[in-house]
Amino acid sequence: AQSVTQLGSHVSVSEGALVLLRCNYSSSVPPYLFWYVQYPNQGLQLLLKYTSAATLVKGINGFEAEFKKSETSFHLTKPSAHMSDAAEYFCAVMKTSYDKVIFGPGTSLSVIP
Amino acid sequence: GAGVSQSPSNKVTEKGKDVELRCDPISGHTALYWYRQRLGQGLEFLIYFQGNSAPDKSGLPSDRFSAERTGESVSTLTIQRTQQEDSAVYLCASSRGDHAYEQYFGPGTRLTVT
Repeated sequence: AQSVTQLGSHVSVSEGALVLLRCNYSSSVPPYLFWYVQYPNQGLQLLLKYTSAATLVKGINGFEAEFKKSETSFHLTKPSAHMSDAAEYFCAVMKTSYDKVIFGPGTSLSVIP
Repeated sequence: GAGVSQSPSNKVTEKGKDVELRCDPISGHTALYWYRQRLGQGLEFLIYFQGNSAPDKSGLPSDRFSAERTGESVSTLTIQRTQQEDSAVYLCASSRGDHAYEQYFGPGTRLTVT
């Protein structure tokens, strides 16, 4: 069965600092991987996705993630945090494009001025 | 409509009552998902409809939960004999069949069981 783990339920960074949110997955086959973001009092929206093309994926708002098969990881990064990045971030995995999506538990990001 | 809509936005019900939650997906989206998000927690997969295939019900927590979908349109999630632990935000998402990973989420229904 597929699963997703996110190390750190809460991460705090200073404004302008590097953001690193960790995601590891378990899957019997190379999966589809996603990051979703949920801003306060808003719905979820897709941040970026990996679909077996380039291993370094760029998303919206300056975020990017790198698929590392050897480490079964798909960590999310952003070089410089902005106050508006404060939100809940969810990593998700899907075995095929016609399969259900399994979400990780989420990481709450706080940005300190 | 432009996006996924859900109704009601809020529902307060007494323990033991049945509730029905509705989801209207984006027109043309063949895939539809229901999730549950308890306060401060992640998304818990409930059920997945894909076109005319049998739904994937593997996430339904008990037989008190059921969902229906008419063709490729509206879906209803029914919770019978509600319990306090059913209190959560219920999220619906839809996607195109050939881009099933690009899910578009509705605003959710906040269910409170008293």
